[in-house]
Amino acid sequence: DTAVSQTPKYLVTQMGNDKSIKCEQNLGHDTMYWYKQDSKKFLKIMFSYNNKELIINETVPNRFSPKSPDKAHLNLHINSLELGDSAVYFCASSQALRRDTQYFGPGTRLTVL
Amino acid sequence: KNQVEQSPQSLIILEGKNCTLQCNYTVSPFSNLRWYKQDTGRGPVSLTIMTFSENTKSNGRYTATLDADTKQSSLHITASQLSDSASYICVVSARYGGATNKLIFGTGTLLAVQP
Repeated sequence: DTAVSQTPKYLVTQMGNDKSIKCEQNLGHDTMYWYKQDSKKFLKIMFSYNNKELIINETVPNRFSPKSPDKAHLNLHINSLELGDSAVYFCASSQALRRDTQYFGPGTRLTVL
Repeated sequence: KNQVEQSPQSLIILEGKNCTLQCNYTVSPFSNLRWYKQDTGRGPVSLTIMTFSENTKSNGRYTATLDADTKQSSLHITASQLSDSASYICVVSARYGGATNKLIFGTGTLLAVQP
């Protein structure tokens, strides 16, 4: 069974569109994260949610809005997509008291044309 | 400034050979250091985790070392296999009290094992 899953795996869209990426974990974790990995393979944290509450919000444009309907889900909605948003987005989860042990999803490759 | 630097940036070796990847960090307060393997098109998967008091830890053909004094870590891969081709990411955790951890990611080393 997949521990952390993301959909879709690939997403190709035009500039200016609005899109969402979904993430689900079945590990019973309290904390979930979104990371962006750029073309140089550098992973950078975007958001972290603990029990549906936002606890980390790095300097991310407000076009990006995470939504956590419950502890097992953390979706990422992106408005007015720009070329620079093209990247691979990874979802991860951890126990609240073990945030240094994170389990990553397979990633969503977003391409903005 | 908390930073994690890895070298080399990329590496090509022949199947069966050994290799060593390096990680230097300036992270404080240090909590632990973890090596991740990221296969192409997949998310990172943890290989080893090392705390301040640990000098070496093995996971099959992977052996990680940690020198907390010089703030260096290495990942040694023995008898490489084609399936070892991946990016290897060094991640250092800084602990700010309680359960608050901040992960600082290195840029990774891209390893290609050729037959």
